[in-house]
Amino acid sequence: QQQVKQSPQSLIVQKGGISIINCAYENTAFDYFPWYQQFPGKGPALLIAIRPDVSEKKEGRFTISFNKSAKQFSLHIMDSQPGDSATYFCAATLGRDYKLSFGAGTTVTVRA
Amino acid sequence: GAVVSQHPSWVICKSGTSVKIECRSLDFQATTMFWYRQFPKQSLMLMATSNEGSKATYEQGVEKDKFLINHASLTLSTLTVTSAHPEDSSFYICSAFAGTLHEQYFGPGTRLTVT
Repeated sequence: QQQVKQSPQSLIVQKGGISIINCAYENTAFDYFPWYQQFPGKGPALLIAIRPDVSEKKEGRFTISFNKSAKQFSLHIMDSQPGDSATYFCAATLGRDYKLSFGAGTTVTVRA
Repeated sequence: GAVVSQHPSWVICKSGTSVKIECRSLDFQATTMFWYRQFPKQSLMLMATSNEGSKATYEQGVEKDKFLINHASLTLSTLTVTSAHPEDSSFYICSAFAGTLHEQYFGPGTRLTVT
């Protein structure tokens, strides 16, 4: 049973546009929500993360929006660049064991 | 900082042989390491959690006798795929967690092909 549902499966955006990826979770005990970026043939790299006591976090062109009541969180990539073309995974974890529950992933393609 | 390495980056082996994959945290001590496998165009699937000096905890459906995990020190964990078969061909990724950093950092992955 997938504990974190991610959508869309893939998206194409023009250079300079905004990419939006959405995730929803069921377990209200989750207390840490990271996003990972993965390029083909490489391991995932931590992009940005948020805790449920914060509704938004921004780092450069990447922003996480968190809605605790709706049990949803999303990643916004502003001013998308061709170098952002990758697969993005949302995840959630419980503080006591740190095991990550991953979403299914979203392949983002940025067209120049 | 927070660099995790894996060795080898890719390996080809014959069916029936065993393969060992190393995962090292280079600049921090990892109290816990995780092993994942990833099939093409799919998400990461957690295989097991290893804590230094204790037995690994395997996820449901993962054969502990086939995927041997040893976490010998705070900077090294190994995954041995025993009696490998073609269906074990996959991308294996480790991650390391340090309580002081509150983050999980992933290795670059190991591509295993069993012929």
